[in-house]
Amino acid sequence: AQTVTQSQPEMSVQEAETVTLSCTYDTSESDYYLFWYKQPPSRQMILVIRQEAYKQQNATENRFSVNFQKAAKSFSLKISDSQLGDAAMYFCAYKGNKLVFGAGTILRVKS
Amino acid sequence: KAGVTQTPRYLIKTRGQQVTLSCSPISGHRSVSWYQQTPGQGLQFLFEYFSETQRNKGNFPGRFSGRQFSNSRSEMNVSTLELGDSALYLCASSSVPISGFAEAFFGQGTRLTVV
Repeated sequence: AQTVTQSQPEMSVQEAETVTLSCTYDTSESDYYLFWYKQPPSRQMILVIRQEAYKQQNATENRFSVNFQKAAKSFSLKISDSQLGDAAMYFCAYKGNKLVFGAGTILRVKS
Repeated sequence: KAGVTQTPRYLIKTRGQQVTLSCSPISGHRSVSWYQQTPGQGLQFLFEYFSETQRNKGNFPGRFSGRQFSNSRSEMNVSTLELGDSALYLCASSSVPISGFAEAFFGQGTRLTVV
């Protein structure tokens, strides 16, 4: 069975600074997808960034980028120039034949 | 384009009762999947429906069931409610099955409280 581990229950970052959220996963599949979702207090899950496992190039979406290390089964999220609106719960997710989520990391942004 | 709509948003039920939650996917989306979110267990996959067929099921007891209609709307039913069923239930829709690469769009969830 696939598992996703987020080892940081909570992180803090100063506004305008950079923060990295960690995620590791375990799978025996070779073809899969990885995602980072953001869940603000409104509870609406919002896709932040996605990565296809067969692509070696790390995905980037504006201030959000990932460091995908397939051999190490690691998929970290880097948020640059952090903004107050980035404060939320962040979930790392693995997508094979079902979507498996990590436990989440609460990100607090200090002004 | 309207997003994923879940109704009701909040629900309070008594132990032993049953409940039905509804999810209307984005127009054109044929895949609907359901998740249970609790502080202790996090987000757990319940099941996925695609074109009215259940494609995959998570590790939940048979009290949890679902169905999908020809218009892709989905319902989830929980019978004989237990206190531990109190959770946020999220549904997500996608244009292709979960195993595909299309993005899954989430609804705002139904907050179920069992007393």
